[in-house]
Amino acid sequence: GQQVMQIPQYQHVQEGEDFTTYCNSSTTLSNIQWYKQRPGGHPVFLIQLVKSGEVKKQKRLTFQFGEAKKNSSLHITATQTTDVGTYFCAGTRQAGTALIFGKGTTLSVSS
Amino acid sequence: EPEVTQTPSHQVTQMGQEVILRCVPISNHLYFYWYRQILGQKVEFLVSFYNNEISEKSEIFDDQFSVERPDGSNFTLKIRSTKLEDSAMYFCASATLADTQYFGPGTRLTVL
Repeated sequence: GQQVMQIPQYQHVQEGEDFTTYCNSSTTLSNIQWYKQRPGGHPVFLIQLVKSGEVKKQKRLTFQFGEAKKNSSLHITATQTTDVGTYFCAGTRQAGTALIFGKGTTLSVSS
Repeated sequence: EPEVTQTPSHQVTQMGQEVILRCVPISNHLYFYWYRQILGQKVEFLVSFYNNEISEKSEIFDDQFSVERPDGSNFTLKIRSTKLEDSAMYFCASATLADTQYFGPGTRLTVL
């Protein structure tokens, strides 16, 4: 079945350093969504990427969708302690179908 | 801003008992989902529901599970005879045709 792999599993950075998490799918995706989950919380939607090669920015966060629509990345510039949490990518094969989640990257930031 | 709500926030039950988890999706959404997350693990898809029927389900969603939309607002997940391994956070999500799925705050199910 379809798998979504995400690396790294954990990342610790000093405040102000950059952070990147990578997501790869075994099959072509219709779209990819990114979620952030704080400890004890629920996944909070960050962004959705639909088009091949799409790049979207939200303040210090940059999201990319690969040309083949099989991989994606999230880059955070100059991390802050508020960025702490687990970042999940999740892809769908076609509109309306299940989200297949990666295992997530847990980011910790020390000041 | 509209949001998905779930009740209860925490449910403790004895093994073998039936539980019903409730969700109120965002009002104009058409697609409804249940996911679960075992502590420390990734979010796993259980089932999707559209047009009053199951549209997709995973291997996890066996005969012990069922979903229902009993009225125009609620969306429920029933586990008929709970097992220890059913202990997890259960998230409801809803979406429009646009695909973005919005998650509720979850119900923590503890099976003793």
